[in-house]
Amino acid sequence: SYELTQPPSVSVSPGQTAAITCSGDKLGDKHASWYQQKPGQSPVLVIYEDKKRPSGIPERFSGSNSGNTATLTISGTQAMDEADYFCQAWDRIALFGTGTKVTVL
Amino acid sequence: EVQLVESGGGLVQPGRSLRLSCAASGFTFDDYAMHWVRQAPGKGLEWVSGISRDSSTIGYADSVKGRFTISRDNANKNSLYLQMNSLRIEDTALYFCAKDGSPWYGSGSPFDYWGQGTLVTVSS
Repeated sequence: SYELTQPPSVSVSPGQTAAITCSGDKLGDKHASWYQQKPGQSPVLVIYEDKKRPSGIPERFSGSNSGNTATLTISGTQAMDEADYFCQAWDRIALFGTGTKVTVL
Repeated sequence: EVQLVESGGGLVQPGRSLRLSCAASGFTFDDYAMHWVRQAPGKGLEWVSGISRDSSTIGYADSVKGRFTISRDNANKNSLYLQMNSLRIEDTALYFCAKDGSPWYGSGSPFDYWGQGTLVTVSS
C-alpha cells in the first residue's frame, strides 16, 4: 500500500527557515497538500496543489514537489508556526503523512 | 463563513453501533464532495471515508470497509453522516468532517475546511 513518510520532528530558531519533507513513491506525479494542526485545534490547509496557498495563509509558507519528495518550507519562522504538520495526497484513496512536529526554539 | 459541526460521538462498547452527523453551512453543500477523517489520541490523521456531491462515488479506508457507511442529505438537512457498525477499540478517535475543494470524490483536491470533531470512545 502507498505510504507517505515524514520526519517525526523538526526544530528551528525564530526567523530561520524550516523545511519539512514528505516522501512517497513517485509523489511528484501527484498533487500534495499540507495541513497545520495546533494542539487542541482542527487541521488547517496551508498548501495545496504542491505550492498554492489558500487565502489568509502567510507568504512565508511555500511548497514544492518533485520526484519522490514534497517539501513544505516555512521562511522566517515565527513562534506561532509551532505545530504539527501533515502532508496529504491521493492514491486511489486519500492518504496522510506520518506527521512532523515543528518546534520553534 | 463555512461551518462544519459534528455530533453523535460518545462512549460505546465494542461491537455496538454509532451514527455521526455533520451539519454544514456557509456554502452550497451539494456542490462539494465531503469526507470523514479521524485522529486517535496522540496520533496522526487517518482518512476514513469520502462521498461525491451527488453520492454517486464513495470510498472507504480498508480499516473500516464493510463496517462503516457514509451518506449525505443534500435535499433537506445539508448534512453528512457516518454509520459505524461493529465498532472496535481501535476505532477510538476524534472524528472530523471535512469539505473537499471539488465536487468529485478522488479528484485530488484538498480538504479545505474542517469541523471541530466529535470524540468516539470504544471501550467495555
